[in-house]
Amino acid sequence: KNQVEQSPQSLIILEGKNCTLQCNYTVSPFSNLRWYKQDTGRGPVSLTIMTFSENTKSNGRYTATLDADTKQSSLHITASQLSDSASYICVVPRHNTDKLIFGTGTRLQVFP
Amino acid sequence: DVKVTQSSRYLVKRTGEKVFLECVQDMDHENMFWYRQDPGLGLRLIYFSYDVKMKEKGDIPEGYSVSREKKERFSLILESASTNQTSMYLCASSRTSGGSSYNEQFFGPGTRLTVL
Repeated sequence: KNQVEQSPQSLIILEGKNCTLQCNYTVSPFSNLRWYKQDTGRGPVSLTIMTFSENTKSNGRYTATLDADTKQSSLHITASQLSDSASYICVVPRHNTDKLIFGTGTRLQVFP
Repeated sequence: DVKVTQSSRYLVKRTGEKVFLECVQDMDHENMFWYRQDPGLGLRLIYFSYDVKMKEKGDIPEGYSVSREKKERFSLILESASTNQTSMYLCASSRTSGGSSYNEQFFGPGTRLTVL
């Protein structure tokens, strides 16, 4: 069954600290994986896309990694800011369609 | 700047009412999607449209219908609202990827619907 699982469900960190969010997927065949950020009460916004040939990609303080062999991805946030408080959703497309499979997200809270 | 707008941010309806949720995109995208988002369940696809007047059921279509008369507008209809349809509803649009699945979906701000 095609699934995307994320951990932890929720995370609390202090401002300035780093954190890593995990995503495991069983979608096959695999083409790409996206990380979305969703602020409370808003729609998700894409942070980065990883294709199967990419191992790591950065977008400012966000760095995504992908291991296509173990079917795992991580999102590392460096020097967290209060504005990083949001849900982070891992998303993988279904093969040969425009439809997506969503993880349940990790809710990150950054406190001063 | 790309934009997907939804007609209401918050909506309160009574059980049995007919409810219309409207979504408009200004990017000339072929694909439009309706999702619902519930705590602990993630986003689930209700309906998908890949062209004007074309639609395809998603994972949870029961109790919903859709209409796409114009390319930029995709409507979600709850024929007879029930309390278990209380949820956050998100609309999204994307280009047709031709099977490569690289095209990003752009989301609207969401409509939080409460059915009493």
